[in-house]
Amino acid sequence: GQNIDQPTEMTATEGAIVQINCTYQTSGFNGLFWYQQHAGEAPTFLSYNVLDGLEEKGRFSSFLSRSKGYSYLLLKELQMKDSASYLCAPCSNDYKLSFGAGTTVTVRA
Amino acid sequence: EAQVTQNPRYLITVTGKKLTVTCSQNMNHEYMSWYRQDPGLGLRQIYYSMNVEVTDKGDVPEGYKVSRKEKRNFPLILESPSPNQTSLYFCASSLLGQNSYEQYFGPGTRLTVT
Repeated sequence: GQNIDQPTEMTATEGAIVQINCTYQTSGFNGLFWYQQHAGEAPTFLSYNVLDGLEEKGRFSSFLSRSKGYSYLLLKELQMKDSASYLCAPCSNDYKLSFGAGTTVTVRA
Repeated sequence: EAQVTQNPRYLITVTGKKLTVTCSQNMNHEYMSWYRQDPGLGLRQIYYSMNVEVTDKGDVPEGYKVSRKEKRNFPLILESPSPNQTSLYFCASSLLGQNSYEQYFGPGTRLTVT
């Protein structure tokens, strides 16, 4: 397996910004996924970063530094529906995926 | 509609009784994968397949078997289920390629082994 570290929980208010950090140690690293998972539902794809830098997709952005083994997911203009678990998942060159335990984000009014 | 389907969605069984959870996708995806999700442990990959007749072990393959005889189907087989295989199981599929890594997940199968 791979060592993947992300915070267990984060809380923020509606309209705020949240940054979820993820560090990993992966041999043969290809890229890194971020998924969103609402309670009792299947994960849904947010992003896949292969190259270093920031990729922006609407209110959600994801950053990758391959040399540092570090990624973050940035959630802007938080909405109540963003309350969910966010999963960091490095992917190896042979397409093996490992998931972090997930960060539960709670958005408060 | 593009989707990944799993059956059954819920299953309660007894120790040692062989079972199969089916997974099917209609998107012509090369890559398919099985995960289990347990509280506090997150999603763990069981097996994955990059194409027909090609399967590889993930992080937790013990006690499971898979087969990929057709591109659309990737069944998960528990030859002799045990209580520690009680879990929520997800199947997923995706294309393989530089810009096509988005994985689509099935709705999940909640398995209880008594």
